[in-house]
Amino acid sequence: IVLTQSPGTLSLSPGERATLSCRASQSVSISYLAWYQQKPGQAPRLLIYGASSRATGIPDRFSGSGSGTDFTLTISRLEPEDFAVYYCQQFDSSPTFGQGTKVEIK
Amino acid sequence: QVTLKESGPVLVKPTETLTLTCTVSGFSLNNTRMGVSWIRQPPGKALEWLAHIFSSDEKSYSTSLKSRLTISKDTSKSQVVLTMINMDPVDTATYFCARRTMYFDFWSGYHLGDAFDIWGQGTMVTVSS
Repeated sequence: IVLTQSPGTLSLSPGERATLSCRASQSVSISYLAWYQQKPGQAPRLLIYGASSRATGIPDRFSGSGSGTDFTLTISRLEPEDFAVYYCQQFDSSPTFGQGTKVEIK
Repeated sequence: QVTLKESGPVLVKPTETLTLTCTVSGFSLNNTRMGVSWIRQPPGKALEWLAHIFSSDEKSYSTSLKSRLTISKDTSKSQVVLTMINMDPVDTATYFCARRTMYFDFWSGYHLGDAFDIWGQGTMVTVSS
């Protein structure tokens, strides 16, 4: 399953809303869709599992939604620490990751 | 505290075999809700899943790299080992091990999802003569 993330780069200001898209080449069970955040020089950090469940310690400004082939990660109000690269990932077949969306400061 | 830590060579030559070890703590490799994967990331590029080992010792591999990979575990040492044969400069990357956890609803037992919830810091491997 190929995951295509859009946009490639999102230029926003702190306080703005970020909407990141992940489209799958075939249907993915919602149980098997996750989102990660990665900052330079760091390992990825789990944000969302099961398409919409926040991982432990993840602020409620992060939310996930979607089903089938279209999934979305929303950051309601960007904080300075949220500027990073975000990856979606599926387990429905052999695990794959999207190519990432970079959220940068405008 | 749950941690995973990768170890292995920093530099390997083309055609050599890479052996990486992931040492885990804070959980058991026998836990049926958990397993360990290896994932890599070439500089400036996206993440690529390589291999996974379940608590049952069942293994799965990336289709494109299956012929080159072997994953194994030593539960008594809390270690997961990945070997990759015939290394090439395109294999230059940071290699991560990560725990895959199955999440269930406490009350209903409903399976909520799977995720790579804990990651090691990663180890950079350069393939060059």
